[in-house]
Formats: sequence, C-alpha cells, structure tokens
Amino acid sequence: SQTIHQWPATLVQPVGSPLSLECTVEGTSNPNLYWYRQAAGRGLQLLFYSVGIGQISSEVPQNLSASRPQDRQFILSSKKLLLSDSGFYLCAWRGRADGYTFGSGTRLTVV
Amino acid sequence: AQRVTQPEKLLSVFKGAPVELKCNYSYSGSPELFWYVQYSRQRLQLLLRHISRESIKGFTADLNKGETSFHLKKPFAQEEDSAMYYCALIRQAGTALIFGKGTTLSVSS
Repeated sequence: SQTIHQWPATLVQPVGSPLSLECTVEGTSNPNLYWYRQAAGRGLQLLFYSVGIGQISSEVPQNLSASRPQDRQFILSSKKLLLSDSGFYLCAWRGRADGYTFGSGTRLTVV
Repeated sequence: AQRVTQPEKLLSVFKGAPVELKCNYSYSGSPELFWYVQYSRQRLQLLLRHISRESIKGFTADLNKGETSFHLKKPFAQEEDSAMYYCALIRQAGTALIFGKGTTLSVSS
C-alpha cells in the first residue's frame, strides 16, 4: 500500500540553528512531492514541489530550501532558523487520479 | 492569478442546523476543485472533489462557474463534523494544490 512518513512530529529549535525535516513515500515510484506550511491565520502555503530526483521548484522566497536525493525522499532544510519559520509543515504526494496524500506533519517551534 | 478564498475563519452552528462553508476561486479555464478536512489530531484528508459529484459524510459541493464558487453544504450538522475545512484547486502549472486559508467548523449541541 502507499504510505507517507514524516518526522519528527514536533521540534523545538533555537533561532539560528539548522533544520532538517524528512519525508518518505512508500508503495509508489516517481511521485510528485510537495512541502506545505500551515501557519496560524494563513492557511496552507505551498513552499516547494518536486517532480523528480534533484528537481525542486520553490514557490516562496524564504529562509528554507528543499532537496530530493532519492525518488521517494523529500527533505526540507534551513541553515539558520528564524522565528518566522515556526509553523506546521506538511509533506504531500500526488497519487493517481489527482489524489493528494498528506503526511502527519511536523510542528516546528523556533524559540 | 489562481486563488482560493474562504471568507469565514470560523463557523459555529448547532447540531442539526444546516451548514454552508463558502469557497470562491479565481482561475482561467476549468478548475479542478476539492474540499479537504482536518479533524483534531488527524491528517489532512480529502473530503470530496467536484468532478466525482459524490456525497461524503452527507456533504455536497456544487461548482458554480458563473459565481466562481464551490461552497460546501450539509443539511444537518453533526458534532463529529467539527474540524478545519480547506477548499483547494489544482494549479495549472506544476499540478500543485493551492489552498484557501481554511474555515473552522464548530458544531455544538
């Protein structure tokens, strides 16, 4: 079956520290992968998407970056976190028939 | 620009009352529209999509191209319907989902 894993579930990081959030997909190949951020009062904002290994499209200029080192792995990173990076980060993949499946999310608090 | 607007941040109704969650969109062409729901402590999940024209958990949504709307409706709200609801469309470039800001539905007895 097709599943999506995202970790960690919660993370508290100091300002200026690095970040690495990982998302992996099972049961499919060459999926389209997405990173979204859910911030209070701002809904779900698309951050990055990838249609294949090494192919990353950035939607919003920001302090974050994404990488796709393997077909079913999508990583969200930052070299130095800002307070404004706090939020709930969701990974998603697009399956057949336009179905999008979301991970369980990571709650990031930058202090 | 392609955009989804959900004008209500919070909608509070009593159990058994009708519910309508509003969604308006901006899109050139024929959009593919969805409603997603996020219950407390659960993952975001698909509720329904307009092309399937199905009813899930008693909810329906009709695409009105003249009014560029895709409002979500249910005739009789239940307490278990309390959740965050997002309207979304598939963007023309990149096939990404674009979401509205969401509406929290609170159903009380």
